[in-house]
Amino acid sequence: GQSLEQPSEVTAVEGAIVQINCTYQTSGFYGLSWYQQHDGGAPTFLSYNALDGLEETGRFSSFLSRSDSYGYLLLQELQMKDSASYFCAVHRGSTLGRLYFGRGTQLTVWP
Amino acid sequence: NAGVTQTPKFQVLKTGQSMTLQCAQDMNHEYMSWYRQDPGMGLRLIHYSVGAGITDQGEVPNGYNVSRSTTEDFPLRLLSAAPSQTSVYFCASSRDASTMNTEAFFGQGTRLTVV
Repeated sequence: GQSLEQPSEVTAVEGAIVQINCTYQTSGFYGLSWYQQHDGGAPTFLSYNALDGLEETGRFSSFLSRSDSYGYLLLQELQMKDSASYFCAVHRGSTLGRLYFGRGTQLTVWP
Repeated sequence: NAGVTQTPKFQVLKTGQSMTLQCAQDMNHEYMSWYRQDPGMGLRLIHYSVGAGITDQGEVPNGYNVSRSTTEDFPLRLLSAAPSQTSVYFCASSRDASTMNTEAFFGQGTRLTVV
């Protein structure tokens, strides 16, 4: 099996920086992905880390430490439209499409 | 491209009824999967397929069947609906089951209520 832990809620103001942490326990770990989901919508892909280090995509960055079984998503220059749920998900084994999700972090951005 | 299309968007079933949730993708993706999402539970993997003719169980497969006769379609069957299956169901596809192209594309979901 696998377990993923992430905070249930985070709040911040526009223009701020927020970090959403994810710790995981799983066998056959292959990589860590992050997804965004707005209320009533479908999850959408944000980033993927297979190796230790930071991956940057515009205002969003994702970090992985395989030795610590830990990753985080960093959101900079927050905007109101970033209010959503954010999920970390582990890829187990070489079937990379097989994703196991955490319970999600609800981010609320205030004006 | 339509991407991943799920039908129906909403469904109400009576306990004991059966039904099939449809999922189709037009991206020639090899990998397809079904998730259910319940409040506070994230997305839980029900079944997945790495290609036509090949399916396997995820975390919560009981009460559900799948088949993959074509690359495009991956229907999910509820054999005898129970109130515990009330949930939002998402279908997802990825281009390849074994490469570094890891992005999963999700359909818009089917909101199922079992009464």
